[in-house]
Amino acid sequence: DVKVTQSSRYLVKRTGEKVFLECVQDMDHENMFWYRQDPGLGLRLIYFSYDVKMKEKGDIPEGYSVSREKKERFSLILESASTNQTSMYLCASRRAPNQPQHFGDGTRLSIL
Amino acid sequence: DQQVKQNSPSLSVQEGRISILNCDYTNSMFDYFLWYKKYPAEGPTFLISISSIKDKNEDGRFTVFLNKSAKHLSLHIVPSQPGDSAVYFCAAYHNAGNMLTFGGGTRLMVKP
Repeated sequence: DVKVTQSSRYLVKRTGEKVFLECVQDMDHENMFWYRQDPGLGLRLIYFSYDVKMKEKGDIPEGYSVSREKKERFSLILESASTNQTSMYLCASRRAPNQPQHFGDGTRLSIL
Repeated sequence: DQQVKQNSPSLSVQEGRISILNCDYTNSMFDYFLWYKKYPAEGPTFLISISSIKDKNEDGRFTVFLNKSAKHLSLHIVPSQPGDSAVYFCAAYHNAGNMLTFGGGTRLMVKP
């Protein structure tokens, strides 16, 4: 069974802080993804990575960056947190294109 | 501009009856479609998928239908069970299977 683990379930930070969200998968998957989920908007792709040190922008990359130094770990970075980044953040991984993505349980991030 | 739309934010069904969840899309480049189920405080879990070369895929109580000319897909759950109560997301792949676009979700409530 695929296991995608997000380091925090709940996180509260202040505006202007640099925030790190961590994600680890244990199935040796090539591709990893970061989404945010907001009511009525579904899941929107922030960034994805198809290999170590490779990254590609998704639909809403502004205000975010990512890091993939090792295959199993994909980090999302909020350079200077703002209140409109309060959301549920979901990490996912998959083995190959057109394959189902497997999700972590999410991090609910509040920016005060 | 949402390329994948789920126009019903919620649906209530009696246990044992059929649940039909609908999804419309606008991008004719979508070639692979998936349904995910999400319980509160958990990440989405993959349910069923269909390739654009098919018009139906069945897995136990779950069947997905694809109508390419209408750019419409639906998920049928028969018979519905209280444990099916969750938010269901429709999603579609494009860009050579790299990027997944989600609909806004439909909350299904199955009443005992």
